[in-house]
Amino acid sequence: KAGVTQTPRYLIKTRGQQVTLSCSPISGHRSVSWYQQTPGQGLQFLFEYFSETQRNKGNFPGRFSGRQFSNSRSEMNVSTLELGDSALYLCASSWGLAGITDTQYFGPGTRLTVL
Amino acid sequence: AQSVTQPDIHITVSEGASLELRCNYSYGATPYLFWYVQSPGQGLQLLLKYFSGDTLVQGIKGFEAEFKRSQSSFNLRKPSVHWSDAAEYFCAVGLVDSNYQLIWGAGTKLIIKP
Repeated sequence: KAGVTQTPRYLIKTRGQQVTLSCSPISGHRSVSWYQQTPGQGLQFLFEYFSETQRNKGNFPGRFSGRQFSNSRSEMNVSTLELGDSALYLCASSWGLAGITDTQYFGPGTRLTVL
Repeated sequence: AQSVTQPDIHITVSEGASLELRCNYSYGATPYLFWYVQSPGQGLQLLLKYFSGDTLVQGIKGFEAEFKRSQSSFNLRKPSVHWSDAAEYFCAVGLVDSNYQLIWGAGTKLIIKP
């Protein structure tokens, strides 16, 4: 079974631009969660989608948004990029909600650099 | 507010020595508890989880963790570490009454001395 895939793996943008990251979950998984990981803040939860509905949301500004499609693939969008948005963005999939499911599987991440 | 604390940012252990990584949480109810490991350049991998039942949980790679309700702790242990255990370890809790949202600790970086 293929793992969680994230595209692109690396991305360089400039301040003010917007970016869209993509995540393809493991086949059959209905939940996709997104995380931002930085050296200073660690791993921070962005949001979780389950069956196309946002079920949980972290404490991030409205510039960060996401969606999930009927095939469970998910995208997250960051508008008006700031330097502080430079981070590793991780996607994770699970069969059920991440906080109660048996295992959450993580992708390799997308490294976003904002110049 | 709910929180997860991993008090040790770094821990250095000699190869073959025992290991204990600490995790404390602040939450009114008993949460679901997880330990994940992130090896350099790789994604996170689940080591073990506690939902209910026996408070001593066995995981992969020889790790175990013990849930202590009275101390709000879920410490990770391994009797003898290997150089390949060098990685960053994250504790996470699932909030039962908040749609099972996961809250993460800041992580503990494990360094293995040869």
